[in-house]
Amino acid sequence: IAGITQAPTSQILAAGRRMTLRCTQDMRHNAMYWYRQDLGLGLRLIHYSNTAGTTGKGEVPDGYSVSRANTDDFPLTLASAVPSQTSVYFCASSGQGGANVLTFGAGSRLTVL
Amino acid sequence: KNQVEQSPQSLIILEGKNCTLQCNYTVSPFSNLRWYKQDTGRGPVSLTIMTFSENTKSNGRYTATLDADTKQSSLHITASQLSDSASYICVVSACQAGTALIFGKGTTLSVSS
Repeated sequence: IAGITQAPTSQILAAGRRMTLRCTQDMRHNAMYWYRQDLGLGLRLIHYSNTAGTTGKGEVPDGYSVSRANTDDFPLTLASAVPSQTSVYFCASSGQGGANVLTFGAGSRLTVL
Repeated sequence: KNQVEQSPQSLIILEGKNCTLQCNYTVSPFSNLRWYKQDTGRGPVSLTIMTFSENTKSNGRYTATLDADTKQSSLHITASQLSDSASYICVVSACQAGTALIFGKGTTLSVSS
C-alpha cells in the first residue's frame, strides 16, 4: 500500500539521549516534511526538503536536524533530547507544486523524561 | 502576519445532525485552502482543496466553501455519523518560494448517539 511509514510508533526517551525518527515514502514524492503536533498549538513545521539533497528550516527547527540522501527517506534526529520535545511527530510528503496535497504518516509519539 | 483561525475550538452534536466549521485566514498572497480530517491517533487526511477561483467543493457528505474576498471558508458536514468524530484542520497555502502552509489549530468534533 502506497504511503508513508514512520518508526517508531512511540518511544520513551531519557533527556540528553540521541533519537532518530524514521520516515519512508514509496510515492516518489519530491517534497517531504516533519511536523510536531502539540495540544492547543496545532501542527508546526520543523524541517522540510523540496527534493533529495536539499533541506530547509521550518517554524521550530531548534534542537532538530534532518537529512535527505535519497527521495524515499527523510529521518529526523534529536541530538540531545529535552522534555520540551515531548510531542507527536508527523512526517508528510507531497508532489512538486503548490496545489499538491500532503500525505501524512501515522505519527510517532515521543516522550522525553 | 499570515494566520489561520478556526472556530469553534470544539463542538458536540447528535448523530444525524448537520454542522458547519469555520476558517478565517489572513494569508497573502493566497494560493489554495485545504481541509483535513484527523482521527484520534492518526495522521491528517485530505478532504478538499480549493483554489482562488473555486467557491464550493464537495466530498461525499463534506462540502467546503470559500469566499476569497472575505477570506473565509467553511466546512459543512451533512447527516453526521459517529465516524465523523475527529479534528478538522484548515490549511492555507501562500504563493511563495519553498513551502508556505499555514495551519489552523483545528476544530474537534464529537458526534454522539
